[in-house]
Amino acid sequence: GDSVTQMEGPVTLSEEAFLTINCTYTATGYPSLFWYVQYPGEGLQLLLKATKADDKGSNKGFEATYRKETTSFHLEKGSVQVSDSAVYFCALSDRGYSTLTFGKGTMLLVSP
Amino acid sequence: ETGVTQTPRHLVMGMTNKKSLKCEQHLGHNAMYWYKQSAKKPLELMFVYSLEERVENNSVPSRFSPECPNSSHLFLHLHTLQPEDSALYLCASSQDRDRAPYGYTFGSGTRLTVV
Repeated sequence: GDSVTQMEGPVTLSEEAFLTINCTYTATGYPSLFWYVQYPGEGLQLLLKATKADDKGSNKGFEATYRKETTSFHLEKGSVQVSDSAVYFCALSDRGYSTLTFGKGTMLLVSP
Repeated sequence: ETGVTQTPRHLVMGMTNKKSLKCEQHLGHNAMYWYKQSAKKPLELMFVYSLEERVENNSVPSRFSPECPNSSHLFLHLHTLQPEDSALYLCASSQDRDRAPYGYTFGSGTRLTVV
């Protein structure tokens, strides 16, 4: 079945550091891939998405590229801010079966 | 901002109480979902509704009872809960159950505490 594996957290960074959160997936079809962000006390918000191989999703300075050859969708940001502190979830939606499969989430803590 | 509204935001209930969580979306979506998010655990999918019909029930105890009266509203009725049911309950919606090219839209959740 489908699965998503994320790096364990927390990831602790200083402000303006470079961020990478790894995500790899297993799917039977050709999935769409997503990153969601959850700020403290809130629900999940869609951060970015990619629907086919080599697509790059981007939003608010975050980027992720759909790599079919390595089945990966790593999240990156060049310079993190304290306000980026949150939990980040990688997810996939396999075509023909839309129930999203989520990773376990990675907590990011950014200090001033 | 979110197109999915959940009420209440916080709820404290005793183990013998009966309460309901409400979720509302006006996005024109046909599928709605309940998730449970507990501390240090992955997101747990509880129920899936498609066009007001329950299509998935992931071994959820009967003390949780969902209701979907129309495609815009989803309820989770709670009765005789246990302290381990304390969690953040998230509602989500998507265009269709079999097509979610834009993923899901989530509400802000109801923080439930069972005492």
